[in-house]
Amino acid sequence: ETGVTQSPTHLIKTRGQQVTLRCSSQSGHNTVSWYQQALGQGPQFIFQYYREEENGRGNFPPRFSGLQFPNYSSELNVNALELDDSALYLCASSLELAGTGELFFGEGSRLTVL
Amino acid sequence: GQQLNQSPQSMFIQEGEDVSMNCTSSSIFNTWLWYKQDPGEGPVLLIALYKAGELTSNGRLTAQFGITRKDSFLNISASIPSDVGIYFCAGQFASNYQLIWGAGTKLIIKP
Repeated sequence: ETGVTQSPTHLIKTRGQQVTLRCSSQSGHNTVSWYQQALGQGPQFIFQYYREEENGRGNFPPRFSGLQFPNYSSELNVNALELDDSALYLCASSLELAGTGELFFGEGSRLTVL
Repeated sequence: GQQLNQSPQSMFIQEGEDVSMNCTSSSIFNTWLWYKQDPGEGPVLLIALYKAGELTSNGRLTAQFGITRKDSFLNISASIPSDVGIYFCAGQFASNYQLIWGAGTKLIIKP
């Protein structure tokens, strides 16, 4: 067990709605990355937060936004949900920007958009 | 989004057999990593490789960082039932810290 916790584990939304996903990072980790994993695919990088600032973003539109709090926990917000947003959303924490590539993942939040 | 070319897509093997999977990219990576994902879980790091040509073992697992820095392979020797799962390769550029992932190799052990 990595110590990274995500909530909720499952949720169902309808098109156009908004969703907030939450992540508590492993103790001592100051970097949180968010990934989207579609069924049967590898994870796709959404963005990374380091010491409360966004530090890199993948090819995702602005309706995907995030926050990191002083205790290094994080939120992922998605506005105007689309059917293609249905996926497993993974949060990963790491030390100092994950320069080694070693990420500690939570179990994910499975989002279904109807 | 960008993904690595990982093969095979799935493997059906007998317990005790050796397993081999690989990953290729059109880009040069600074780091290659292999993760395993079990159902309902997030990926877990198995092996990290930081130098071209590097060969690293973790128990029955062995992985190599290709000399061209555009490929990597993972071998599992004498497979056991708990090896079942999806194995992902991931590459990391020197210039930023995001990981680029393959689509995964699903390992199934025949009864």
